[in-house]
Amino acid sequence: RKEVEQDPGPFNVPEGATVAFNCTYSNSASQSFFWYRQDCRKEPKLLMSVYSSGNEDGRFTAQLNRASQYISLLIRDSKLSDSATYLCVVKGAGGSYIPTFGRGTSLIVHP
Amino acid sequence: GAGVSQSPSNKVTEKGKDVELRCDPISGHTALYWYRQRLGQGLEFLIYFQGNSAPDKSGLPSDRFSAERTGESVSTLTIQRTQQEDSAVYLCASSTSAAVQETQYFGPGTRLLVL
Repeated sequence: RKEVEQDPGPFNVPEGATVAFNCTYSNSASQSFFWYRQDCRKEPKLLMSVYSSGNEDGRFTAQLNRASQYISLLIRDSKLSDSATYLCVVKGAGGSYIPTFGRGTSLIVHP
Repeated sequence: GAGVSQSPSNKVTEKGKDVELRCDPISGHTALYWYRQRLGQGLEFLIYFQGNSAPDKSGLPSDRFSAERTGESVSTLTIQRTQQEDSAVYLCASSTSAAVQETQYFGPGTRLLVL
């Protein structure tokens, strides 16, 4: 089993739709969780950290479920500019400072 | 302020030649990471530097790969005797520290093509 798994997609949704991605991780001792966004031929950029209590930033909501070992990202009212690959990142198992990146989920928002 | 910068942006080389890639982290960031991303693939960890500690080289794919960092500033990734399979985007990232909650800031990457 891969350490961090994501559905590669693509998720193809119309503008205004709500879309959700999940990411599962294998190491229950993981401590920190992040969502990054990567546009085509660009570097990854932090979208949001994921906290145990869940957190929201505008149209984006991230949740952590430690019992089932997954994190989720919900995007409401999708915009064309949301089209990108969303990378799940997990860090801190056994005190490790090396993040583990998922392969990403591709989102395409169409008019 | 200035972000992470990398040079060159693009590099085309012939198989068997050596290449050197450069990363300038954000000022004051003690942690620096190198990753490789092949076309359509995820990020592959290569090496990690934290302050003056010995680097974690556990991700380097072969002894043709090496990296150095001068104090808490510039880092160079060297690939000797390049192979076509080395073609990828090489990304550098830095963070304030190595603490687990710290986020990483990425440079724009160097696109390496080995002919």
